Amino acid sequence: RKEVEQDPGPFNVPEGATVAFNCTYSNSASQSFFWYRQDCRKEPKLLMSVYSSGNEDGRFTAQLNRASQYISLLIRDSKLSDSATYLCVVNTISRSGGSYIPTFGRGTSLIVHP
Amino acid sequence: DAGVTQSPTHLIKTRGQHVTLRCSPISGHKSVSWYQQVLGQGPQFIFQYYEKEERGRGNFPDRFSARQFPNYSSELNVNALLLGDSALYLCASGQGPQETQYFGPGTRLLVL
Repeated sequence: RKEVEQDPGPFNVPEGATVAFNCTYSNSASQSFFWYRQDCRKEPKLLMSVYSSGNEDGRFTAQLNRASQYISLLIRDSKLSDSATYLCVVNTISRSGGSYIPTFGRGTSLIVHP
Repeated sequence: DAGVTQSPTHLIKTRGQHVTLRCSPISGHKSVSWYQQVLGQGPQFIFQYYEKEERGRGNFPDRFSARQFPNYSSELNVNALLLGDSALYLCASGQGPQETQYFGPGTRLLVL
């Protein structure tokens, strides 16, 4: 089983739709979680951190479920400009305990069409 | 403020050669991480440096090495290049090793 798994998609949705992505992780000791957005041939850009209590930023809501070991991203009222690849990142403390090792999922492709 | 900068933007090398990639972090950031991203995959963690010391290492062969300088900039070196090393190499900086990371535009390496 991969450490961090994402459905690669693509998710093809019309403008205005609500879409949700999940990201599962295998290491229960994972400490921190993030969602990044990556446009074609560009670098990843931070979208939001993910907290146990859940957090919202405008149309975007992120949730963490530690019991089931997954994080989710919900996008409401999709815009054409939301078309991108969404990457989840899971940080796990290293064996030596001195640092965090970040593990990215392969990303989920979202295509929003008119 | 300038973001993370990387050089060169593109590079073509042949098998067996070595390459040095450079990264300047956001001003005030002391942590630099390196990633390799191949098409269709997420970035894979190679190294993290903080205060000039290696703080984390991913599952990459010893052909990959890195260092961080007193001004917090960093170099990634890859020796004995293989075709499979062709990828986008991303650098990310943060205020500390556990802080949010911000990515540079990357260096596209093609090994022929």
